[in-house]
Amino acid sequence: NAGVMQNPRHLVRRRGQEARLRCSPMKGHSHVYWYRQLPEEGLKFMVYLQKENIIDESGMPKERFSAEFPKEGPSILRIQQVVRGDSAAYFCASSKRLAGGIDTQYFGPGTRLTVL
Amino acid sequence: DQQVKQNSPSLSVQEGRISILNCDYTNSMFDYFLWYKKYPAEGPTFLISISSIKDKNEDGRFTVFLNKSAKHLSLHIVPSQPGDSAVYFCAASVIQGAQKLVFGQGTRLTINP
Repeated sequence: NAGVMQNPRHLVRRRGQEARLRCSPMKGHSHVYWYRQLPEEGLKFMVYLQKENIIDESGMPKERFSAEFPKEGPSILRIQQVVRGDSAAYFCASSKRLAGGIDTQYFGPGTRLTVL
Repeated sequence: DQQVKQNSPSLSVQEGRISILNCDYTNSMFDYFLWYKKYPAEGPTFLISISSIKDKNEDGRFTVFLNKSAKHLSLHIVPSQPGDSAVYFCAASVIQGAQKLVFGQGTRLTINP
């Protein structure tokens, strides 16, 4: 009965490198959300995905960031050419999203990205 | 534009007493509200939620109150226990649509023995 899994838990990158963050939703959940938490701030929505579809990416920076949730495998948040300002905790949440129903998102432990 | 605000960065409460955490929102479209608890280096853990058709929801020691006219909600924890020491986040969403959560900045609750 595993919860939301994220890996790696900690990731260190140098400026200009790529960062790949993975998220496996809870069993039975087909909806994934990514949030970012900067130091001393609340979580900020980035993107909402279903299998093979990006539903809402209104919180994603316009450049260097992309996300996918393939038919098989985990959801991936990819950051190209990282900069120091990308240093943050990135959290994934999953939900069942029953039709027309109220939904609760359950969070993973997060990936802490440090850009040197 | 901070649509969800938690104006108290920290709160200290004696063990056994009531903890009251407050949250204000500005967007009248929000119709679902949640509280999450977060320990350092962990992800947020869901505590309790309330939809806008209700004004109170209770689950064990936790009660959430919603005042729609004031656009205000609060979380009551009674009795407070040392394990309740954590950062508490209020979040809001719109049920129809993506249901993306808008979070407050968090309140750090410390329960003193």
